[in-house]
Amino acid sequence: EPEVTQTPSHQVTQMGQEVILRCVPISNHLYFYWYRQILGQKVEFLVSFYNNEISEKSEIFDDQFSVERPDGSNFTLKIRSTKLEDSAMYFCASSVQGGMKQETQYFGPGTRLLVL
Amino acid sequence: SQQGEEDPQALSIQEGENATMNCSYKTSINNLQWYRQNSGRGLVHLILIRSNEREKHSGRLRVTLDTSKKSSSLLITASRAADTASYFCATDPRNYGGSQGNLIFGKGTKLSVKP
Repeated sequence: EPEVTQTPSHQVTQMGQEVILRCVPISNHLYFYWYRQILGQKVEFLVSFYNNEISEKSEIFDDQFSVERPDGSNFTLKIRSTKLEDSAMYFCASSVQGGMKQETQYFGPGTRLLVL
Repeated sequence: SQQGEEDPQALSIQEGENATMNCSYKTSINNLQWYRQNSGRGLVHLILIRSNEREKHSGRLRVTLDTSKKSSSLLITASRAADTASYFCATDPRNYGGSQGNLIFGKGTKLSVKP
């Protein structure tokens, strides 16, 4: 069964460093998402992406964050200058449909980011 | 309460018993999804129920949706130790500008099934 994959599974970085989290969505999906989950807290929406542009973003997704689909398969989340509070599990998700025709979002296994 | 609040926060049952988890939300929705998360792992999609549906089944799972009460329930029948996990409801809120699909998650119910 197709699944969303994410790399790396774990990343440790120093405060102020840039990190890039990578995701390969399910191949026929058109809508892509990033969420994060701080330890012990809710899963929070960061950004949705469709047709090579951001559809929606949350307040968390400030100028330090950016997303890109550099090729036909990868979807990346970049944090330019990491802060301690960026430590969290980051989930990528994808869906066939989105918008008003929202379908199931399939999540990847997550990347656990630790900022020291 | 916030959008997508589950209760109870924690539930401990014996194998073979049924587990019922509830979710309440505040805004109108397009659909509601239930996910499962094993400790520290990814989110596994369980079931999606649309706003015009009242009940849905998948294996040992039964989900109900009451849009008038803005609530949903997830029933796991004949629970197994392997069902031990956190269960989250996630809503896709409807807005006049058209939903872009961002899911709003609750805090989850931590289910423990003892063998």
